[in-house]
Amino acid sequence: GAVVSQHPSWVICKSGTSVKIECRSLDFQATTMFWYRQFPKQSLMLMATSNEGSKATYEQGVEKDKFLINHASLTLSTLTVTSAHPEDSSFYICSARDAGLTDTQYFGPGTRLTVL
Amino acid sequence: AQSVTQPDIHITVSEGASLELRCNYSYGATPYLFWYVQSPGQGLQLLLKYFSGDTLVQGIKGFEAEFKRSQSSFNLRKPSVHWSDAAEYFCAVGEGTGTASKLTFGTGTRLQVTL
Repeated sequence: GAVVSQHPSWVICKSGTSVKIECRSLDFQATTMFWYRQFPKQSLMLMATSNEGSKATYEQGVEKDKFLINHASLTLSTLTVTSAHPEDSSFYICSARDAGLTDTQYFGPGTRLTVL
Repeated sequence: AQSVTQPDIHITVSEGASLELRCNYSYGATPYLFWYVQSPGQGLQLLLKYFSGDTLVQGIKGFEAEFKRSQSSFNLRKPSVHWSDAAEYFCAVGEGTGTASKLTFGTGTRLQVTL
């Protein structure tokens, strides 16, 4: 099946700094990508929907100025956590929609963010 | 708002035994239902999905699920579990048409397989 990569797989940063996470669809074009957040032993919570060439749509309660999303190409979406704080520490997962025959969301392996 | 409930947080089965993971959903319209599996260090992998038609759907790795509207359930089954099936399993309901829709996930069921 289609492959979605995320980079980095884990990152540690100091409080107050910004961190960028990349999500790439490696063998298909994705007009829509999704960003999720997963707390330990909990479910995935959708943060935002990212459409190529337009502004992301954020879920209620998600600060769009803190979690900046850019989907500048059909194979790349980025999530930037600005002025990170320890409470932003989490597992961030992206998915990309392959709108072809299978019309399936493919998930990346996730990025573990730890803010000190 | 749609929601998904997975009542079992953790299940342990012996290798070769049958498996059933429960999933109940709440959604006002015809649901689009999914089962994903998450292994450590890997992304979520789609096992199967239900949009319409036959209520018994077959997926990859020998899994199947049955949609029961009257019970608002979409339970995942496998007749004989393999040790490699140990993972976290998530049921999800989609809002709108197709898998491009927003997904609401259950809290997951961790499957442990004993040899």
